[in-house]
Amino acid sequence: AQSVTQLGSHVSVSEGALVLLRCNYSSSVPPYLFWYVQYPNQGLQLLLKYTSAATLVKGINGFEAEFKKSETSFHLTKPSAHMSDAAEYFCAVSRTGYSSASKIIFGSGTRLSIRP
Amino acid sequence: DAGVTQSPTHLIKTRGQQVTLRCSPKSGHDTVSWYQQALGQGPQFIFQYYEEEERQRGNFPDRFSGHQFPNYSSELNVNALLLGDSALYLCASSLTGVGLGLNNEQFFGPGTRLTVL
Repeated sequence: AQSVTQLGSHVSVSEGALVLLRCNYSSSVPPYLFWYVQYPNQGLQLLLKYTSAATLVKGINGFEAEFKKSETSFHLTKPSAHMSDAAEYFCAVSRTGYSSASKIIFGSGTRLSIRP
Repeated sequence: DAGVTQSPTHLIKTRGQQVTLRCSPKSGHDTVSWYQQALGQGPQFIFQYYEEEERQRGNFPDRFSGHQFPNYSSELNVNALLLGDSALYLCASSLTGVGLGLNNEQFFGPGTRLTVL
């Protein structure tokens, strides 16, 4: 079975500060891991994905995440927060080894607020 | 490219009614997945359609059913609506093919907000 746990339902940082959103996963097989962002009243947008090619994954809008197998973690970071980063962020996992897109299992989400 | 589109945007129903939600996949995609996102929670997988058949299913009752048409568009039907069915319903499209590996990213639509009174 696969699952993800996001630590902290709400994170607040000052504009220009480091953003760190935490995610731990559980998977009986090598996982694919994702971070999605959801702005109010919108669908999900893929920020970045880990597919075993490289442990440090760079995404859009200056975000990156590092896959650490020993810690079963996939934390999302951004060096300097911008007001436009305020949104809901979801960590997610799916199975590998399929020719088709497997179902995605999402965490419960972390709401990121940015203080001026 | 219009991306994934869903209709309607919002819908209000009463308990016991039936509802149909629609999804048009991104151009070139042949696989549609549906997710339910309750308020304050992450999306949960309902089912996936490919070649007009249900290929995978999550932990949802039989009240939830779907259909995929020859043009790859899809419908999600929910019968005997309950208050707990109030949620944002997301459709995601992707491309199935041997050897594609994980270059078959799922693209999400904006969702349909269903309110059950």
